[in-house]
Amino acid sequence: GQNIDQPTEMTATEGAIVQINCTYQTSGFNGLFWYQQHAGEAPTFLSYNVLDGLEEKGRFSSFLSRSKGYSYLLLKELQMKDSASYLCAVENTGGFKTIFGAGTRLFVKA
Amino acid sequence: SQTIHQWPATLVQPVGSPLSLECTVEGTSNPNLYWYRQAAGRGLQLLFYSVGIGQISSEVPQNLSASRPQDRQFILSSKKLLLSDSGFYLCAWSQGSTGNTIYFGEGSWLTVV
Repeated sequence: GQNIDQPTEMTATEGAIVQINCTYQTSGFNGLFWYQQHAGEAPTFLSYNVLDGLEEKGRFSSFLSRSKGYSYLLLKELQMKDSASYLCAVENTGGFKTIFGAGTRLFVKA
Repeated sequence: SQTIHQWPATLVQPVGSPLSLECTVEGTSNPNLYWYRQAAGRGLQLLFYSVGIGQISSEVPQNLSASRPQDRQFILSSKKLLLSDSGFYLCAWSQGSTGNTIYFGEGSWLTVV
């Protein structure tokens, strides 16, 4: 079976750093995506990890450990506009079925 | 550059009525196409995906169907809507088979009353 787990909600302060974790179990694994989704809008792509390690992209970084079935998204220098849901998604073998987690709602407070 | 559009953006339909959501992709050829649904406060559920014209794979048994009459057109349909069909429907595309980002359309809000 397939399962993706991430916390339901998190709260952090403007200017701080927050780490959103994701664990997954899947029968076949190609890579892992992170998406950002503001309320009422479609998800937008943030990052893609296929190899173990950290991928940095501006204020956002994503980490993957394939052996542990674990990833995290790191957001630095938080801004109010970062308040959104963050979706972890696993790309299965074959590449045609990307499965999304339920998402983590991040609230950034002043 | 590639763009994806879906419509209508919002619709309110009575139980038992038909449904048709349409999606088109521009700026690419032979894309993989997807329909996802997101119920209120829940994650994205993959409904259908298509790797080519007339090729549809269904992930969840339900009263919805999908069709791909042209390379860059994807249609989601229902003959008789249920209350449980309410949600946010997202069309999406990707290119290739592995490591290719899924890009989403603007989404369609469906309320079945």
